[in-house]
Amino acid sequence: DVKVTQSSRYLVKRTGEKVFLECVQDMDHENMFWYRQDPGLGLRLIYFSYDVKMKEKGDIPEGYSVSREKKERFSLILESASTNQTSMYLCASRRDRENTEAFFGQGTRLTVV
Amino acid sequence: GIQVEQSPPDLILQEGANSTLRCNFSDSVNNLQWFHQNPWGQLINLFYIPSGTKQNGRLSATTVATERYSLLYISSSQTTDSGVYFCAVEGTYKYIFGTGTRLKVLA
Repeated sequence: DVKVTQSSRYLVKRTGEKVFLECVQDMDHENMFWYRQDPGLGLRLIYFSYDVKMKEKGDIPEGYSVSREKKERFSLILESASTNQTSMYLCASRRDRENTEAFFGQGTRLTVV
Repeated sequence: GIQVEQSPPDLILQEGANSTLRCNFSDSVNNLQWFHQNPWGQLINLFYIPSGTKQNGRLSATTVATERYSLLYISSSQTTDSGVYFCAVEGTYKYIFGTGTRLKVLA
């Protein structure tokens, strides 16, 4: 079974802090994704990566950056956390760039105070 | 871009009842998945179903790609089926999610 693991389930950070959300997958998948989920807005794509050191902006990249130094790990970085980044963050991976099944991690509920 | 609509938005059932959840999408897609989001927030894969019909225990799904819809059937519902059900379709290299159906199954 594919396993996608996010480093924290719950996180509380202060405004202005630099925040790292980590995601690791164990199935040698090429593609990894970061989404955020907010009530009334659904799931929105922040960034995705289709190879090591490659990244593409999603629909809402502002205020975020990402890092993919190794194939299995995809990090989401909040350079200076703000209260409007309080959200549920979901990481996903899949084998190919298209037409393959996606698998999600357990989610990280981030609160910025 | 592709629009994904799910219905109904909310559903309350008694344990043992059957239900059908619908997902309509606005354009041709190559890929469609159904997920169940549990109370802790994790998205659990139910079906990867670009077309055709699949069954897994009490759940089954049908996608009619030419008519741009997919259906998720839940039979003999249990309280553990409660949560939010999402369909997601593949846009350009990424998934586009519907707004979900929130299901509550009462004991």
